[in-house]
Amino acid sequence: QSVLTQPPSVSGAPGQRVTISCTGSSSNIGAGYDVHWYQQLPGTAPKLLIYDNSNRPSGVPDRFSGSKSGTSASLAITGLQAEDEADYYCQSYDSSLSNSLIFGGGTKLTVL
Amino acid sequence: EVQLVQSGAEVKKPGESLKISCKGSGYRFTSYWIGWVRQMPEKGLEWMGIIYVGDSDTRYSPSFQGQVTISADKSTSTAYLQWSSLKASDTAMYYCARHLTTSSGADSWGQGTLVTVSS
Repeated sequence: QSVLTQPPSVSGAPGQRVTISCTGSSSNIGAGYDVHWYQQLPGTAPKLLIYDNSNRPSGVPDRFSGSKSGTSASLAITGLQAEDEADYYCQSYDSSLSNSLIFGGGTKLTVL
Repeated sequence: EVQLVQSGAEVKKPGESLKISCKGSGYRFTSYWIGWVRQMPEKGLEWMGIIYVGDSDTRYSPSFQGQVTISADKSTSTAYLQWSSLKASDTAMYYCARHLTTSSGADSWGQGTLVTVSS
């Protein structure tokens, strides 16, 4: 069971908007640590999608956006495309017993 | 271009030792942290630990402390992940990734090394 909780799956039709939540606690997201998001296409290594809560690395389309509030964060994808079908993971730092980076359990996005 | 290139797939027997590598290029290797991530078959990402190549400061996730050893060689711009006695449950894909700090996102990833442990 992951310290950061994500929904196992989300889905949407092409062109629609979907959001993926990442719920933490007072020892990670709620403590002010930044949240990062990764996209993992089937059979490939993860790729940084959003860093420091809401920043996009060069080359990531602006259809992807991130936000953070309290002990939670969200990834939003607008204008869904078939190529967005992938697993998405949030990541933050935890200052409790783990005192280390932690991942959410991952969310499988299906484009209908 | 920043690149992390990992060593090839390994097939090992339980109880054997193993050391896999991650070679960096295209940036100042000693100024970044290298983290290791496990992904078991059909499962999610698990953060294992991280090393600052400049001074070998190493941190481990409690889940992996004592189970693996992370090291680095500045002279060859290579980071390593090693096991002294593999178990079948170590079967997984292992990724290395570059971090600017211990809490920053990983902005560059290796292609992964598949480790299969089977008798």
